[in-house]
Amino acid sequence: EPEVTQTPSHQVTQMGQEVILRCVPISNHLYFYWYRQILGQKVEFLVSFYNNEISEKSEIFDDQFSVERPDGSNFTLKIRSTKLEDSAMYFCASSGRGRLTNTEAFFGQGTRLTVV
Amino acid sequence: GEDVEQSLFLSVREGDSSVINCTYTDSSSTYLYWYKQEPGAGLQLLTYIFSNMDMKQDQRLTVLLNKKDKHLSLRIADTQTGDSAIYFCAESASGNTPLVFGKGTRLSVIA
Repeated sequence: EPEVTQTPSHQVTQMGQEVILRCVPISNHLYFYWYRQILGQKVEFLVSFYNNEISEKSEIFDDQFSVERPDGSNFTLKIRSTKLEDSAMYFCASSGRGRLTNTEAFFGQGTRLTVV
Repeated sequence: GEDVEQSLFLSVREGDSSVINCTYTDSSSTYLYWYKQEPGAGLQLLTYIFSNMDMKQDQRLTVLLNKKDKHLSLRIADTQTGDSAIYFCAESASGNTPLVFGKGTRLSVIA
């Protein structure tokens, strides 16, 4: 079965440092997403990406965050200057071109980001 | 804003039925979903229901939707140890809009 792969599985970074979370979506998918879950909290939508641009973003996705599809296969989330409250599990997802993209979305196993 | 609530823990004996409950606030929710997360794995879509349906059955899984009370449930028949996981309820206003998740219910199955 196809899968979305995220690396690393766990990242520890110092406050104020930049961090890049990487995702390899399913190869023929067109829609890409980042969600996050702070420990003990709900899974929250961050951003969706289609046709090389952001299609929707939440209030959480401020200027500290950016996404990129640098080489046609990877999909990255960059946090420019990490804060303690950025510590969370970050999930990448991708979806095909169907009408109901949510029902076709595959999620990665997540990257646990710990900011110290 | 939209909110999805679910209980955090559920423990059942192997062979019994599990019922995981969820409530949501957004009356414009069109799609409601159940995801499963096993340890070390991503969120896996188990099933979803469109808001004009009351029930959907898929093998051991039964989803019930009470739109008036904004209540969704997932029943797992003949629960097995392999069903031990975290189950997330989610909703979206359409099939393409961002998912709004609950915190997840950790299901423990006792042999």
